[in-house]
Amino acid sequence: ILNVEQSPQSLHVQEGDSTNFTCSFPSSNFYALHWYRWETAKSPEALFVMTLNGDEKKKGRISATLNTKEGYSYLYIKGSQPEDSATYLCAFRDNYGQNFVFGPGTRLSVLP
Amino acid sequence: EAGVTQSPTHLIKTRGQQATLRCSPISGHTSVYWYQQALGLGLQFLLWYDEGEERNRGNFPPRFSGRQFPNYSSELNVNALELEDSALYLCASSFGNQPQHFGDGTRLSIL
Repeated sequence: ILNVEQSPQSLHVQEGDSTNFTCSFPSSNFYALHWYRWETAKSPEALFVMTLNGDEKKKGRISATLNTKEGYSYLYIKGSQPEDSATYLCAFRDNYGQNFVFGPGTRLSVLP
Repeated sequence: EAGVTQSPTHLIKTRGQQATLRCSPISGHTSVYWYQQALGLGLQFLLWYDEGEERNRGNFPPRFSGRQFPNYSSELNVNALELEDSALYLCASSFGNQPQHFGDGTRLSIL
């Protein structure tokens, strides 16, 4: 059974703070790592698909890095805003293409 | 471009009944994924269909089944419903390793 972990489980920050959280995944048989944002009462929305070790992706104030050799990815949010409040999910895909496993998510609350 | 559509939005059943949930993927997407989110839990992978075939299934009993049609739409069937099947069921579609696009889900309630 593939194990994908995310930490912290939840996070409260003040508006304007920068923050980051972690996704840990198996370091073998890596194919891709996806990040999604899931806002309350909405469906998950894709942020990034990362495939290469050392990859860095950026979308506005949100960026992500990838280390496939040690099996982790960081998601960074610069200058958090209340609208960033959501659950952030990572998902690991193995190179057999058969397994796509979501982590439990990090719930971010940005306080105005 | 129309997104992933799921129907019905809500479904109420009683124990022992059967439920059918439907999903229409984004045009051009050949893969459909089904997930369950039970109360207090994260997304649990249920089933993955691609090009009409079941590619993988999660750790769920056989009474959870489904199929994908030639137009790539999909059905999820749950037989012999149990109380713990009450959950939000999300469908997602993708093409290749592109990100998955999710529908709004079907909320299944078992009385």
